Amino acid sequence: DAGVIQSPRHEVTEMGQEVTLRCKPISGHNSLFWYRQTMMRGLELLIYFNNNVPIDDSGMPEDRFSAKMPNASFSTLKIQPSEPRDSAVYFCASSLSLRASGRPTDTQYFGPGTRLTVL
Amino acid sequence: KQEVTQIPAALSVPEGENLVLNCSFTDSAIYNLQWFRQDPGKGLTSLLLIQSSQREQTSGRLNASLDKSSGRSTLYIAASQPGDSATYLCAVLPTGANSKLTFGKGITLSVRP
Repeated sequence: DAGVIQSPRHEVTEMGQEVTLRCKPISGHNSLFWYRQTMMRGLELLIYFNNNVPIDDSGMPEDRFSAKMPNASFSTLKIQPSEPRDSAVYFCASSLSLRASGRPTDTQYFGPGTRLTVL
Repeated sequence: KQEVTQIPAALSVPEGENLVLNCSFTDSAIYNLQWFRQDPGKGLTSLLLIQSSQREQTSGRLNASLDKSSGRSTLYIAASQPGDSATYLCAVLPTGANSKLTFGKGITLSVRP
């Protein structure tokens, strides 16, 4: 298996531009997570999906952030408009959750991340 | 609110040394605890997952212990090697319907040849 695939690996953009990050989870996994990592705040969960349905988006910083999972093999995280404080590494992770609640109780497999720089 | 602390932030040891990485958490009501490894510029790799009912888990040269009552976990690395150099993060999953993994900021380990 190729593991979790994220694209692009690096993104440099100017303030105010729209940014779209993409994730392909491991085939057969039914839970998908978006995280953000910064030096100051460490690793933070932004949102997670179970069976393509958003379960918890309380970590999404503000309305400029949105995430979708149109099918089991693809998810996007969009920032519009982007700001310099959004600069971070964004990780996608997936897991096979055997629990109907969709709670993230199982081992998560992380992608390589997208390093976003907003100038 | 659950808080996870890992001290020190960085550690440097000579090759061959046995070492212990510490993790503490403020709320003992957890579902499980996980240790991850992160190499520079890479994502996280899960090393060990300990359920709340377990005391420890082992994988090769790694052994993780969990003491819920004191809010502590340790990751023991035996006979450290330069290839063990990385950042090690622990994360706890609190109990509760809407809980989410809470991560420490990690310990950056350097094993000198």
